[in-house]
Amino acid sequence: EVVLTQSPGTLSFSPGERATLSCWASQSISRNYLGWYQQKPGQPPRLLIYDASTRATGIPDRFSGSGSGTDFTLTISRLEPEDFAIYYCHQYGTSPWTFGQGTKVEIK
Amino acid sequence: QLQLQESGPGLVKPSETLSLTCTVSGGSITSYFWNWIRQSPGKGLEWIGYVHYSGYTNYNPSLKGRVTMSVDTSKNELSLRLSSVTAADTAVYFCARDRGYYWNNLYYYYGLDVWGQGTTVTVS
Repeated sequence: EVVLTQSPGTLSFSPGERATLSCWASQSISRNYLGWYQQKPGQPPRLLIYDASTRATGIPDRFSGSGSGTDFTLTISRLEPEDFAIYYCHQYGTSPWTFGQGTKVEIK
Repeated sequence: QLQLQESGPGLVKPSETLSLTCTVSGGSITSYFWNWIRQSPGKGLEWIGYVHYSGYTNYNPSLKGRVTMSVDTSKNELSLRLSSVTAADTAVYFCARDRGYYWNNLYYYYGLDVWGQGTTVTVS
């Protein structure tokens, strides 16, 4: 299976800063089928980005995704208070679909 | 607005079968891929599999043939059955939609864009 690695496990930022999160795959992601999700306590994950770089419906344009092959990035251009959460990458190009272990974005 | 709601027993005994239902409202189940995902502190998010409205299924082989998924188009529901459960199956279980499709012998996917709130299942 495709193993997704997100590192580090926790990143600390101040509101207004730019955040860059990384996701590395153990093999090339077929058709760039890579998604990013945000999860807050007690809530299900929320799709932010699909197909590596396409924003999902209703997602603010401060969220952007990039990358291809095995290296992918989620960028939050200016962190708002509601953006402090856990972020997961997810590949759905090769079965079984897999998730990264998550990166927590916390307030510095 | 499409909404998903999981339901089922919160407590299951070891070696028994876990059965969950996901009720789809605000839209039809007769399209797309309907997924089950679980989340536990120890294993993070784990994709269990999906069922297409046509009945086609794709399961995670890590669950070693214990999984069965189905759709009931008359009730707009999907179901999950996981047999021979152990404590390792304790998790929050989510259903989620991928608005993909099948065309010209290829499957197209778009990620999991609508999720239920999740239901906690404890095996004990």
